[in-house]
Amino acid sequence: DADVTQTPRNRITKTGKRIMLECSQTKGHDRMYWYRQDPGLGLRLIYYSFDVKDINKGEISDGYSVSRQAQAKFSLSLESAIPNQTALYFCATSELPQGGGEQFFGPGTRLTVL
Amino acid sequence: GESVGLHLPTLSVQEGDNSIINCAYSNSASDYFIWYKQESGKGPQFIIDIRSNMDKRQGQRVTVLLNKTVKHLSLQIAATQPGDSAVYFCAEAYGNQFYFGTGTSLTVIP
Repeated sequence: DADVTQTPRNRITKTGKRIMLECSQTKGHDRMYWYRQDPGLGLRLIYYSFDVKDINKGEISDGYSVSRQAQAKFSLSLESAIPNQTALYFCATSELPQGGGEQFFGPGTRLTVL
Repeated sequence: GESVGLHLPTLSVQEGDNSIINCAYSNSASDYFIWYKQESGKGPQFIIDIRSNMDKRQGQRVTVLLNKTVKHLSLQIAATQPGDSAVYFCAEAYGNQFYFGTGTSLTVIP
């Protein structure tokens, strides 16, 4: 089984709808991250969490919120989706802080907002 | 924000040849760098990393070179195989965050 899983893998929704993307990991890592990937741009950090009670904004957090329900689960919400949030979203985990070691990525969720 | 760029967006090589993928990073204070491989429909996968106190690190068929003077990072893949076809990203770590490049698409010609 994959160490980092994301659901759904694909989602098409309409402007104004609330969307939740879920991430689960079996690696036992405290640190979890949500990234967004757009064509022609590198991965950009949305939010990150270093443990269950810790939530931090990343580079592009506006329009998004997160919830760290447990060590193994980190969900990303779009309260009112808009078309420019159409992108590929990745969840990642790490044992060490960014800059201290590799991150393990999930397979991604392709979100389309019409 | 930080910017990490790649010199060439696409690269085609013959199977068995060596591949070199380049990356320019922007922050001289960045102290940790990673190369990732991303295959179609999958998340990025770690290939190799290097810290700023090193200028070269070797893995299995891969070598990363770091030139801090010109803020340049390169990934060398020896004896490139069809399974190496993918998009390759570099990332630099600064201020407890990673900043990713846009990627180079490597195509291996059989």
